[in-house]
Amino acid sequence: SQQGEEDPQALSIQEGENATMNCSYKTSINNLQWYRQNSGRGLVHLILIRSNEREKHSGRLRVTLDTSKKSSSLLITASRAADTASYFCATGGAQKLVFGQGTRLTINP
Amino acid sequence: NAGVTQTPKFRVLKTGQSMTLLCAQDMNHEYMYWYRQDPGMGLRLIHYSVGEGTTAKGEVPDGYNVSRLKKQNFLLGLESAAPSQTSVYFCASSLHRGLAGEGDTQYFGPGTRLTVL
Repeated sequence: SQQGEEDPQALSIQEGENATMNCSYKTSINNLQWYRQNSGRGLVHLILIRSNEREKHSGRLRVTLDTSKKSSSLLITASRAADTASYFCATGGAQKLVFGQGTRLTINP
Repeated sequence: NAGVTQTPKFRVLKTGQSMTLLCAQDMNHEYMYWYRQDPGMGLRLIHYSVGEGTTAKGEVPDGYNVSRLKKQNFLLGLESAAPSQTSVYFCASSLHRGLAGEGDTQYFGPGTRLTVL
């Protein structure tokens, strides 16, 4: 069963615009992570936000967490063609992570 | 550091054949995982291990077996392959829990694309 559900399933924007994708989850968490997957490759960890944090930044990435709504958002600012990828949220439980189905992001030149 | 490596990268099997996928990590991580990813889907956990000599079932364990005889290696076996096991298989590892969550970060291998005819 999926813990995290990303929204939208697909997103297409122009280069330079900001991209926002959302993740909702069902049960209490210790932390929430975002991963990127380029086509045909393994997942790469982007950022981890703990349950007692509300916002975290890493370069052009901004992640927010609202535990009362059981939701998180990932904002990518000033998008680039290289940001084209699928993005997954993952929630931490005992010993393992559960991944959502992902948001497929396409950056158009 | 090579990180997480997987062998082989591609494989085609006939129904009923068996094979073993090898995952190796050189980061001294405690935890290792096997996932499968089907088109347009997220990752589903097959089996995982929290230490040498230990394994546990994940979300979709049927038809697969695993072994963790050495800390750096995690093997995934298919005893009698079925077309439903056609998928891309990813191995991952993580340090361990207890580091305020940071130890939960998983590092992924490049994947093995398996086709069962």
